[in-house]
Amino acid sequence: GQQVMQIPQYQHVQEGEDFTTYCNSSTTLSNIQWYKQRPGGHPVFLIQLVKSGEVKKQKRLTFQFGEAKKNSSLHITATQTTDVGTYFCAGRNSGYSTLTFGKGTMLLVSP
Amino acid sequence: GAGVSQSPSNKVTEKGKDVELRCDPISGHTALYWYRQRLGQGLEFLIYFQGNSAPDKSGLPSDRFSAERTGESVSTLTIQRTQQEDSAVYLCASSPGGARETQYFGPGTRLLVL
Repeated sequence: GQQVMQIPQYQHVQEGEDFTTYCNSSTTLSNIQWYKQRPGGHPVFLIQLVKSGEVKKQKRLTFQFGEAKKNSSLHITATQTTDVGTYFCAGRNSGYSTLTFGKGTMLLVSP
Repeated sequence: GAGVSQSPSNKVTEKGKDVELRCDPISGHTALYWYRQRLGQGLEFLIYFQGNSAPDKSGLPSDRFSAERTGESVSTLTIQRTQQEDSAVYLCASSPGGARETQYFGPGTRLLVL
């Protein structure tokens, strides 16, 4: 079955440093979504990428979808303490009806 | 409008007892998902309902787990003869339907099996 892997599992940065999490799928994806889960909260949708090589930005967050549509990344520039949480990618294979979530990357930002 | 709601928010039960978890999706959303999230872990897909189609039950971990949905509204996840390893947060999500939908998550039910 489809597998989605995320690295790193955990990262601790100082406020102001950059952060990147990577997502890799065992199969070609039709689209990929990113979610953020704050400590004690539930996942909240951030963005969806559909096209090969697509890049989208949300303020300090930059999302990329690989040319082969098998990998994606989320980059945060100049992290802030409000960025703390776990970031999940979730991919959909056109042959499947459901999203497959990665295990997430937990980000801790120290002031 | 209102988001996805789940009840109860917390549930403590004894090993061997049955539990029912409820999810009220966003009105008009045809798709509904159940996930399990163990402490510090990722989201584990359990079951997916889409309109009147047969549900995708491929993620249910055992026959102790079952779920129902009435039309395009409320869903109930039932865990029979609970075990300690069932302790987790059970998250429900709904989406408008279609191949590129965003999932909107409820706050989850925190289940603790003693």
